Amino acid sequence: ETGVTQTPRHLVMGMTNKKSLKCEQHLGHNAMYWYKQSAKKPLELMFVYSLEERVENNSVPSRFSPECPNSSHLFLHLHTLQPEDSALYLCASSQDGAGGNIQYFGAGTRLSVL
Amino acid sequence: SQKIEQNSEALNIQEGKTATLTCNYTNYSPAYLQWYRQDPGRGPVFLLLIRENEKEKRKERLKVTFDTTLKQSLFHITASQPADSATYLCALSTDNFNKFYFGSGTKLNVKP
Repeated sequence: ETGVTQTPRHLVMGMTNKKSLKCEQHLGHNAMYWYKQSAKKPLELMFVYSLEERVENNSVPSRFSPECPNSSHLFLHLHTLQPEDSALYLCASSQDGAGGNIQYFGAGTRLSVL
Repeated sequence: SQKIEQNSEALNIQEGKTATLTCNYTNYSPAYLQWYRQDPGRGPVFLLLIRENEKEKRKERLKVTFDTTLKQSLFHITASQPADSATYLCALSTDNFNKFYFGSGTKLNVKP
């Protein structure tokens, strides 16, 4: 157990559906992240939150909408996704946003868009 | 942005040998370089961190080197075991607010 829990582990959705991914960390960290991992490609950083404030958004399409209600919880709201959005979505947390901080990852949500 | 290259081909070695994985980067030198291990269906797990002013770091059977002139890090696993079989990712970051760049990883297979 890494102290970062993601639900659901697997999700299949149609292109017109709306769904949400949830992440919860029990480490007392102040920064949380969403990454996308596609086959044979590097992890892509999507969003960074520090102390519940979004500080990084790497040009992610608006069909992905993050929400961070407190420092322990992070959501990724999904709507009108495309098949190419199928991937493993990973949540991570770190002590704070400093560059040398270690990231603790959840097990991920495997998303399939039909 | 930073480009990171890791050998995309799997590395196959015999149990007991030393595995050496390579991470090359372009553009600016990062302040920190980290190595993570990822097993199938799981998230990456942190292994080692090395700073730009450090040449080498060790932890048990693991050793990381960092050469800012060559823009390269080497990750060594000595006395490798089948349980070391996994994908290993390198990640670079700066002192600025969390610019984390990951490589695509190298899969290591340790055969008994």
